Amino acid sequence: RKEVEQDPGPFNVPEGATVAFNCTYSNSASQSFFWYRQDCRKEPKLLMSVYSSGNEDGRFTAQLNRASQYISLLIRDSKLSDSATYLCVVNIGTGRRALTFGSGTRLQVQP
Amino acid sequence: GAVVSQHPSWVICKSGTSVKIECRSLDFQATTMFWYRQFPKQSLMLMATSNEGSKATYEQGVEKDKFLINHASLTLSTLTVTSAHPEDSSFYICSAREWGLAGATDTQYFGPGTRLTVL
Repeated sequence: RKEVEQDPGPFNVPEGATVAFNCTYSNSASQSFFWYRQDCRKEPKLLMSVYSSGNEDGRFTAQLNRASQYISLLIRDSKLSDSATYLCVVNIGTGRRALTFGSGTRLQVQP
Repeated sequence: GAVVSQHPSWVICKSGTSVKIECRSLDFQATTMFWYRQFPKQSLMLMATSNEGSKATYEQGVEKDKFLINHASLTLSTLTVTSAHPEDSSFYICSAREWGLAGATDTQYFGPGTRLTVL
C-alpha cells in the first residue's frame, strides 16, 4: 500500500465549478499535512498546510480527518489558472523531516 | 517566502559522464536539504537527506556511491550523478528546510528542479 494515495484524475471541470480532491495516508503517526500544486515540468509549490480544525484560504479549503486518515482539498469557483496537478503531502514523522508525496491529482479547468 | 535555487536547470550528457547539480538557499540557512527525483507522471521520491557537515542519509534503493551528496555549507548542497546512464534521466528537485518558531510546522522550499537527460 502506498504511504499517500490520491486519485490521479484527470478531473475536467468547467470554469466556476467546485471540485474536491481526497487523499488517504497510511501512517497514523503522520504529523504534518500539506497540499502542493505542481505545474507541468515545474517544481511543487506549497498551496496550503492542513490543520486538524480545517482551514480556508480564499477559494481553497483544506480539511483533515485523523480518524479516517484522509485529507481533502476543495476548490470553489474554479479558474483556468487552477489547472495543475495537486499533490497531497505528508510528513510521516518517525524522526524523518522529509515529505512523502502522493502521485498527484490532475485538474483541468475548461472554458 | 524563502528562495531556493538550483543549477543547472537542465542538462544533457553522454552516458558514462558525471553531472553535478547545485542547490542553494538564497536568503536563509538550511541545515538540512533534501534531494528528490521525479519520473514522468510519477510522484516525487525522496532520494536522500543532506545534512550540513555530516554524511547524507540515503533512502532504501538509492546507491550512495552513484549519487554523491555534499553539504559543505549552510546554504549549499550538491548532488553528483556519477557515471550517468539513460535510466538516470529524470527531474531532480532539491528542497531546503527553514525552521519556524518553536511548535510551528517547519516549511520546506523547493528549488526549480534540474531536468537531466542522459543520451
